[in-house]
Amino acid sequence: DQQVKQNSPSLSVQEGRISILNCDYTNSMFDYFLWYKKYPAEGPTFLISISSIKDKNEDGRFTVFLNKSAKHLSLHIVPSQPGDSAVYFCAASSGSGAQKLVFGQGTRLTINP
Amino acid sequence: DVKVTQSSRYLVKRTGEKVFLECVQDMDHENMFWYRQDPGLGLRLIYFSYDVKMKEKGDIPEGYSVSREKKERFSLILESASTNQTSMYLCASSWTETEAFFGQGTRLTVV
Repeated sequence: DQQVKQNSPSLSVQEGRISILNCDYTNSMFDYFLWYKKYPAEGPTFLISISSIKDKNEDGRFTVFLNKSAKHLSLHIVPSQPGDSAVYFCAASSGSGAQKLVFGQGTRLTINP
Repeated sequence: DVKVTQSSRYLVKRTGEKVFLECVQDMDHENMFWYRQDPGLGLRLIYFSYDVKMKEKGDIPEGYSVSREKKERFSLILESASTNQTSMYLCASSWTETEAFFGQGTRLTVV
């Protein structure tokens, strides 16, 4: 049973435009959500997180939105740059912090020049 | 800078061999994790440890065991490697209240 789902395996966006990556979850006990970025042959790197007490968190070009009633979160990247091309993973945990993260399947983002 | 180091980038092992994957972190993190990444399945948790000598099963522990004798080191053991354990293995560490930091991964091929 996939508790965290990223339903789009891939996404292609023009350079300079907005990239929107989506993530849905089923476990209402999740209270901390993270986005990771992964290049081929490297480990995932942390991008941005949000606690369930917030509905938005922003860091430079990256903004994460959380809709608890819909059990949905999204990552917005604006403007998109070629270096943003990577696989993005959504992750969630319950309890506190990053214990026992549950990951989605990932979305491959390609930024076209 | 947090550093999580996995002992090998690439490994090729034969079916039935005992395989050790080592992971070391230098930030005194209490939590350490082993995940495997497979196409279309994302990252799946194999085992995690929240203290020395403590371990808990993740979602897919079958065929694996772990060892944490020192706080900075977390080992994943494949008792008898099989071809369905061919995968990318990722180690991570964290404090309880923060994000997890990942190593560079070990691409294991079992032939």
